[in-house]
Amino acid sequence: EPEVTQTPSHQVTQMGQEVILRCVPISNHLYFYWYRQILGQKVEFLVSFYNNEISEKSEIFDDQFSVERPDGSNFTLKIRSTKLEDSAMYFCASSEVGPQHFGDGTRLSIL
Amino acid sequence: GIQVEQSPPDLILQEGANSTLRCNFSDSVNNLQWFHQNPWGQLINLFYIPSGTKQNGRLSATTVATERYSLLYISSSQTTDSGVYFCAVEGGADGLTFGKGTHLIIQP
Repeated sequence: EPEVTQTPSHQVTQMGQEVILRCVPISNHLYFYWYRQILGQKVEFLVSFYNNEISEKSEIFDDQFSVERPDGSNFTLKIRSTKLEDSAMYFCASSEVGPQHFGDGTRLSIL
Repeated sequence: GIQVEQSPPDLILQEGANSTLRCNFSDSVNNLQWFHQNPWGQLINLFYIPSGTKQNGRLSATTVATERYSLLYISSSQTTDSGVYFCAVEGGADGLTFGKGTHLIIQP
């Protein structure tokens, strides 16, 4: 069964640095998403992406964040000037019509 | 935005017991999914169930869209069922809104 693939599985970064989290969605899917889960809390929606542009974003997704689909297969989340509170699990998801399929997540640790 | 409430927040059961987890939501939805988050943090999709009833082995789910709730049934619990169960819904917008989850512990 096709899967959403995320890399790296764990990223450790110094505060103030930029990070790029990578995702390969399921190949025939058209809708792409990023979610965040701070340790011990619920999963929160960040942004959705369709037809090469952001279709919706939450209040969390401020100017520190950006998304990009640099080629036909990858979907990235960039976090600039990372802060301690950006430490979380970041999930990528994709869908066509119907359920969203989630990757295994990238655990981001900011030191 | 849409609100999602899950109950109970915590549940401790003996192996072999049955359980019912509930998800209430505040508005009509296009999508409702149940997930199991395992100890490694992976979100395992259990059901896509915006309405109706589905079964998959020992698990089944029912969504009554007109009354804005969904139920997840786990029968003959096993220790591997332990983890956090999330309900997530999608209304008119794209993103899923998750509940806070039910933390299930199955004791041997």
